[in-house]
Amino acid sequence: RKEVEQDPGPFNVPEGATVAFNCTYSNSASQSFFWYRQDCRKEPKLLMSVYSSGNEDGRFTAQLNRASQYISLLIRDSKLSDSATYLCVVTPRGNTGKLIFGQGTTLQVKP
Amino acid sequence: GAGVSQSPRYKVAKRGQDVALRCDPISGHVSLFWYQQALGQGPEFLTYFQNEAQLDKSGLPSDRFFAERPEGSVSTLKIQRTQQEDSAVYLCASSLGLVSGNTIYFGEGSWLTVV
Repeated sequence: RKEVEQDPGPFNVPEGATVAFNCTYSNSASQSFFWYRQDCRKEPKLLMSVYSSGNEDGRFTAQLNRASQYISLLIRDSKLSDSATYLCVVTPRGNTGKLIFGQGTTLQVKP
Repeated sequence: GAGVSQSPRYKVAKRGQDVALRCDPISGHVSLFWYQQALGQGPEFLTYFQNEAQLDKSGLPSDRFFAERPEGSVSTLKIQRTQQEDSAVYLCASSLGLVSGNTIYFGEGSWLTVV
């Protein structure tokens, strides 16, 4: 079983739709949590950090549930430019900066 | 530019050949990471350096894979006797120090195809 699990999709949604991605992680000692975005044939880039209290950045909302070991990302009012792969990422205990990635969920926003 | 630079960007190797992939991290960055990303998968951790010290090489898939960072700056990932399953994008990343993931910067990757 992979340490970070995501539904690979693809999720095909119309512009303006709200879409939610989920991910689960197996190591309860995981320390930090993130969503990264990866465009086709490009490197991963940090989208946002994820906290138990939830955090919002414009149309994007991320939430962490430590008890259930579950991370979510909500995108409201989807834009064509949101089309990408969204990677759920955790870091293990200890401060090495090592990242553990999920498989990624592909989003395609259609006009 | 000021970002993480990787070369070559694209490499086609015949099975059995050795390859060397280079990473120039952001100047002054202490930590350097190598990841392997197969098609349709997320990046998988290979190895980590703090300056010239290789602190974690638990992700290297076999003894055909070797990484070095002799002067604590540029790093080279070497793959000996390449096999088809080595075909992947090899991503290098660097960060200023031992901090959480939001300060990790990735290069565009070296795309390796083994034929």
